[in-house]
Amino acid sequence: GEDVEQSLFLSVREGDSSVINCTYTDSSSTYLYWYKQEPGAGLQLLTYIFSNMDMKQDQRLTVLLNKKDKHLSLRIADTQTGDSAIYFCAETSNSGYALNFGKGTSLLVTP
Amino acid sequence: DSGVTQTPKHLITATGQRVTLRCSPRSGDLSVYWYQQSLDQGLQFLIQYYNGEERAKGNILERFSAQQFPDLHSELNLSSLELGDSALYFCASSGQGFNQPQHFGDGTRLSIL
Repeated sequence: GEDVEQSLFLSVREGDSSVINCTYTDSSSTYLYWYKQEPGAGLQLLTYIFSNMDMKQDQRLTVLLNKKDKHLSLRIADTQTGDSAIYFCAETSNSGYALNFGKGTSLLVTP
Repeated sequence: DSGVTQTPKHLITATGQRVTLRCSPRSGDLSVYWYQQSLDQGLQFLIQYYNGEERAKGNILERFSAQQFPDLHSELNLSSLELGDSALYFCASSGQGFNQPQHFGDGTRLSIL
């Protein structure tokens, strides 16, 4: 299948901004998603963006999409210790069914 | 709380056994998806049902099967279990319409001894 790539680990200080990056290869990707997984918990849908948009903002979260470079990023402003979790990038193609996930970025927020 | 309910939360069994994982979707959602999360494979799509009918199949082994019942709950059946089947199994549901976002349950952790 098509690939979704993420860096595995990111460490930031509390109060700083975090930027988690994702690249994908499927040019037919229609929606791109960010999910958050805390230890022992399920996947929480954070936000998603349609491929004809280039930016979406939702409170502390900003998603940027560069469709030409197939690059997606999630910026978390004023990062808090409660934001420590694994963040997954995912995409769906024109089939509109299965989510294709990256391996996840583990975000560690230090005081 | 996503509104998707999975039971049981944990399951411990032995090789060669068969287990059934259950999922109740969010109220009003017709689609149910099953995913497997393991350390080596990451999150893999297994199968999708829509209103009782199988709609899409992913990397699902022949030893695994699923169904969606008239009340829209779904069950994932895993048989002839092997050590490598130990994983977290997630169910997700989505509403009607193309590319509706999927909402996930808390998963069932399956441990094969």
